[in-house]
Amino acid sequence: NAGVTQTPKFRILKIGQSMTLQCTQDMNHNYMYWYRQDPGMGLKLIYYSVGAGITDKGEVPNGYNVSRSTTEDFPLRLLSAAPSQTSVYFCASSPTPRGTQNTEAFFGQGTRLTVV
Amino acid sequence: KQEVTQIPAALSVPEGENLVLNCSFTDSAIYNLQWFRQDPGKGLTSLLLIQSSQREQTSGRLNASLDKSSGRSTLYIAASQPGDSATYLCAVRGLSRYQGAQKLVFGQGTRLTINP
Repeated sequence: NAGVTQTPKFRILKIGQSMTLQCTQDMNHNYMYWYRQDPGMGLKLIYYSVGAGITDKGEVPNGYNVSRSTTEDFPLRLLSAAPSQTSVYFCASSPTPRGTQNTEAFFGQGTRLTVV
Repeated sequence: KQEVTQIPAALSVPEGENLVLNCSFTDSAIYNLQWFRQDPGKGLTSLLLIQSSQREQTSGRLNASLDKSSGRSTLYIAASQPGDSATYLCAVRGLSRYQGAQKLVFGQGTRLTINP
């Protein structure tokens, strides 16, 4: 069971560089999310998607961009890396709820990004 | 704006003790509350999900309660074991323009150490 897979696991970027964090899930979930976790803090939502072609901003979207062309993939792009973007990035997915039941979110292992 | 707070930030107890982790949130308009476990360098594992209409959920040695009116949740761990050592995060699901989206607001976590 692969679940939610993130690549790379670690990355060091120089200020001003751009990169894409990859996320793929094999559970056929419509909903996908990107969170960041700063040291000693909880996770904050960056962007999320409710299906192919539909995305929306979360709490901390500045400096990032997303797209969703397939159900499986939800890449996160850093446009111009800044030291404030040093963090651990988590991708998650969740299924479409059935009736009134709430559903769980499933998380990837994270990508540890350092901007120097 | 929803804010989630977890107390204490860290807790160290001897093996075998029963313990309680606390979570509070400022806006009672939530769909559900989830408790997660996070191991160092790993992703998040969902432990318990309490729907807004429920008062508690149980899984093995874990019991989570929810009091929406007071904005509080507790995670009770019975007969703690060294393998329970991890960071425990609570998260509430807030409102979204897209029904079913798991837009989670996280607390900063409680780092739990169980000493043999």
